[in-house]
Amino acid sequence: DVKVTQSSRYLVKRTGEKVFLECVQDMDHENMFWYRQDPGLGLRLIYFSYDVKMKEKGDIPEGYSVSREKKERFSLILESASTNQTSMYLCASSNRQWDPSGRASYEQYFGPGTRLTVT
Amino acid sequence: LAKTTQPISMDSYEGQEVNITCSHNNIATNDYITWYQQFPSQGPRFIIQGYKTKVTNEVASLFIPADRKSSTLSLPRVSLSDTAVYYCLVGPNLYNFNKFYFGSGTKLNVKP
Repeated sequence: DVKVTQSSRYLVKRTGEKVFLECVQDMDHENMFWYRQDPGLGLRLIYFSYDVKMKEKGDIPEGYSVSREKKERFSLILESASTNQTSMYLCASSNRQWDPSGRASYEQYFGPGTRLTVT
Repeated sequence: LAKTTQPISMDSYEGQEVNITCSHNNIATNDYITWYQQFPSQGPRFIIQGYKTKVTNEVASLFIPADRKSSTLSLPRVSLSDTAVYYCLVGPNLYNFNKFYFGSGTKLNVKP
């Protein structure tokens, strides 16, 4: 069965601390993602990785960085946590599939989320 | 980037068929349309995906008109356990492959 795990379900950190959120997938997927979810705003993409050591910025990368040293693991780093980074963080992974016409499609598998509170 | 518009919320009763429509006027030629379901305190879960016309699986159907500017997720005979938030996602494609836009979703409330 497909599985994406996240290191913590709940995390409380202080302003200015460096925070690491870890995500591991066991499906050998090429692509991994970090989102944050806030009430009324849906899911917003922070960063995306399409291969080991490769990354792309999403819609809201400011204040975050990522690391992907191994295919199965994707880490989100908050260099200096701030209160406005209090949120639910969701990790996902997917492969890219091709249809006969050469169009790409993605099916994302999500982890359970980490609820981060910065005080 | 194709963004989506969905109703914020919908109410239904057990046993009814529910149709949730998503508007995506700027959909690109190569974009697929995907729907996800999310329960409280969980990550979203894939429901169904399609490119055109109609797609059906064991839990839902997806209707896509010829112009592809909208799509409708159909849930047959809903139960209380279908109470969740449903997200419509368009794309990405090879030209914007890092752009996954979920939007705010539709909160479906199924009543007994």
